[in-house]
Amino acid sequence: QKEVEQNSGPLSVPEGAIASLNCTYSDRVSQSFFWYRQYSGKSPELIMSIYSNGDKEDGRFTAQLNKASQYVSLLIRDSQPSDSATYLCAVNRGTYKYIFGTGTRLKVLA
Amino acid sequence: DAGITQSPRHKVTETGTPVTLRCHQTENHRYMYWYRQDPGHGLRLIHYSYGVKDTDKGEVSDGYSVSRSKTEDFLLTLESATSSQTSVYFCAISESGTSNQPQHFGDGTRLSIL
Repeated sequence: QKEVEQNSGPLSVPEGAIASLNCTYSDRVSQSFFWYRQYSGKSPELIMSIYSNGDKEDGRFTAQLNKASQYVSLLIRDSQPSDSATYLCAVNRGTYKYIFGTGTRLKVLA
Repeated sequence: DAGITQSPRHKVTETGTPVTLRCHQTENHRYMYWYRQDPGHGLRLIHYSYGVKDTDKGEVSDGYSVSRSKTEDFLLTLESATSSQTSVYFCAISESGTSNQPQHFGDGTRLSIL
């Protein structure tokens, strides 16, 4: 079992719809959770951080964390073609150690 | 954007040659990291540094060495490059080692070993 798992996709959604991206992690001591967006050929860009159970909203993005079920999700409202990218989930278990999932490729269809 | 510069951005070299990649930051962050990214494997940590001259191994450190003589510079060296080290290399920084600090990435170096 991978430490951080994401469905590789592609996840295809029509423009204007809600895109839902999911991530599960195996280590219960994980403390912090991050979502990165990576366009093809580019570097990962931080879009959301979440540290406690519940929802955290930032513009069109909402991160959801459920530590009991060990999953974290990212919702993108009013999806745009410019949101088409690979989304990486990262988990921190303390100090320097960040574990990354392999990413979910999102395609927003115009 | 975090001030992180990686050089070179692209490099093609031959098996057996040494290669050095440079990461330079202007944020005065304590922690610096080197990752490689390969299809199907995601980002994997090679080495990291928690201060000047303080470095440690990550999960895929074999064949790589690092040095950090100044806060702003973190060098990754492939001692004798092999084709399996063909990859995209990313440098990342974080302000401290506490878990709530996110990492920020440089633009990457695309390295091809022929």
